[in-house]
Amino acid sequence: DVKVTQSSRYLVKRTGEKVFLECVQDMDHENMFWYRQDPGLGLRLIYFSYDVKMKEKGDIPEGYSVSREKKERFSLILESASTNQTSMYLCASLSVLSDTQYFGPGTRLTVL
Amino acid sequence: DQQVKQNSPSLSVQEGRISILNCDYTNSMFDYFLWYKKYPAEGPTFLISISSIKDKNEDGRFTVFLNKSAKHLSLHIVPSQPGDSAVYFCAASAGNNAGNMLTFGGGTRLMVKP
Repeated sequence: DVKVTQSSRYLVKRTGEKVFLECVQDMDHENMFWYRQDPGLGLRLIYFSYDVKMKEKGDIPEGYSVSREKKERFSLILESASTNQTSMYLCASLSVLSDTQYFGPGTRLTVL
Repeated sequence: DQQVKQNSPSLSVQEGRISILNCDYTNSMFDYFLWYKKYPAEGPTFLISISSIKDKNEDGRFTVFLNKSAKHLSLHIVPSQPGDSAVYFCAASAGNNAGNMLTFGGGTRLMVKP
């Protein structure tokens, strides 16, 4: 079974804080993704990575950065959190041999 | 402008009846479509997919229909069960491998009443 884990289920931060969201997958998948889910907007892609140290912007990268130093780990960074970044953040991974993205349980981030 | 739209935010169905969830897309480059199911406090899980070379794909109680000319797809669940109550997301990609970026719809919350 593919397992994608995220470091926190719930997180509360203050405006201006630096926030790290960690994602780890155990299936040696090449591709990893970060999405945010907001009511009525579905899942929107923030960044994705197709290899170690490689990253590509998704649809809404502003205010975010990512890091992929190891194949199994993909981190999402909010350099200076703002209230409009309050959301559910979902990480996913995918093998280039497959056609299915596997998602982690999500991190609900609240920025006060 | 959303390229994938699910116009019904919610749907309520009686147990045993058919549930039909709809999805429209605007990008003619999309050629691979997926449905994901999401329970509260869990990540989305893959349900069923369809390539643009087909117009129907069936997996047990779940069938996805694709109408390319109308840029429309639908997910049928027959018979619906209370455990099917969840949010369903339609997603699309350009290219047959979903390793390409997925574009998601806004989701439809399905409630199946016992």
